[in-house]
Amino acid sequence: GENVEQHPSTLSVQEGDSAVIKCTYSDSASNYFPWYKQELGKRPQLIIDIRSNVGEKKDQRIAVTLNKTAKHFSLHITETQPEDSAVYFCAASRSFGNEKLTFGTGTRLTIIP
Amino acid sequence: NAGVTQTPKFRILKIGQSMTLQCTQDMNHNYMYWYRQDPGMGLKLIYYSVGAGITDKGEVPNGYNVSRSTTEDFPLRLELAAPSQTSVYFCASSWPPVLTYEQYFGPGTRLTVT
Repeated sequence: GENVEQHPSTLSVQEGDSAVIKCTYSDSASNYFPWYKQELGKRPQLIIDIRSNVGEKKDQRIAVTLNKTAKHFSLHITETQPEDSAVYFCAASRSFGNEKLTFGTGTRLTIIP
Repeated sequence: NAGVTQTPKFRILKIGQSMTLQCTQDMNHNYMYWYRQDPGMGLKLIYYSVGAGITDKGEVPNGYNVSRSTTEDFPLRLELAAPSQTSVYFCASSWPPVLTYEQYFGPGTRLTVT
């Protein structure tokens, strides 16, 4: 089955700096890669996703890049703000967001004011 | 819309007891999922369903059972609870997509087995 590895497990950045979280996946048939944000004590929520036919996608301060050859994808957050502090999970799936999502183990991002 | 709701929010079980975690969605989603989240770990899929009457195992199904008699409800049954089942359980639903392929999560149930 699919295996998703996520690094780093914790990340602290100064407010205003950029943060990068990286994930690798094992199943070359995976074609959908979402990122979820989970604030403390809350439910996970989708923040951005990318399909395998796209190399990069951006939404305001958040961007995701995908390298299908190397089987890795990354989340980039620019101009970080205190409200970006949360746990971020990457995931991979063989279909567009349905059925079996395999999640990474999460990255706890702390923004230092 | 209430979205995805789960009951109870918290529960303490003794070893060997059984219980059902309830999950309901009012978004008319076809797909529903059950995940467990252990401390410092990601979400692991327990069971999922692509429609009423259809269920399938995920990554960690042992010790659990599910049923899907209606589109709205997807209960998770724990039989003979064990300490290894101490976790936070999330139900989610999706499909068909509107603007995204997002899985919408419920608020979670924190279960402790002692």
